[in-house]
Amino acid sequence: DAGVIQSPRHEVTEMGQEVTLRCKPISGHDYLFWYRQTMMRGLELLIYFNNNVPIDDSGMPEDRFSAKMPNASFSTLKIQPSEPRDSAVYFCASLLAGIQETQYFGPGTRLLVL
Amino acid sequence: AQKITQTQPGMFVQEKEAVTLDCTYDTSDQSYGLFWYKQPSSGEMIFLIYQGSYDEQNATEGRYSLNFQKARKSANLVISASQLGDSAMYFCAMREGGGSQGNLIFGKGTKLSVKP
Repeated sequence: DAGVIQSPRHEVTEMGQEVTLRCKPISGHDYLFWYRQTMMRGLELLIYFNNNVPIDDSGMPEDRFSAKMPNASFSTLKIQPSEPRDSAVYFCASLLAGIQETQYFGPGTRLLVL
Repeated sequence: AQKITQTQPGMFVQEKEAVTLDCTYDTSDQSYGLFWYKQPSSGEMIFLIYQGSYDEQNATEGRYSLNFQKARKSANLVISASQLGDSAMYFCAMREGGGSQGNLIFGKGTKLSVKP
């Protein structure tokens, strides 16, 4: 079975440019999460969706960040304009509601903003 | 106050020996879940093991077991018969509340190095 798919795996961009990160959750999963990992702050939740609806976006750092989930198999995280402090690894994770509710992570997108 | 505390930034273990990675948590919820993830140098987050707050038995998955002590609010990961491939960062995480309440809260991680 395919796991969570993220693209691109690596992104290098210049400050001020728009960055779009993509995620395909595991088929049938009804929750999708976006996390950011940095050395300073560790793993932080940015936003999560349930059945394509954003539930909690309190972790989104500022208005430069936006996330969408137009359908059950696709989500994007956009940063516009990007800044050097946005450099991090961005993870997407999905889960199927039930008893254990394990979040399965994608491979991450390593973003470097110059 | 931190919700998840991992007090060991780094640990060494000899190959084939067992190792315990510590994790304590803080919650006032009666229903919660505890997870351990492994992050090798390649960067992916790999789910290892889960313990529900109402589970009476300690969770086990192959060489991984979770030493769950509810009264002490600890959920230590035990890796038996360490292998070189176990060298990685290990994160303890908690999901508060019952049902699909949302996000995981992660600890800062422990870097495990397995020596040949």
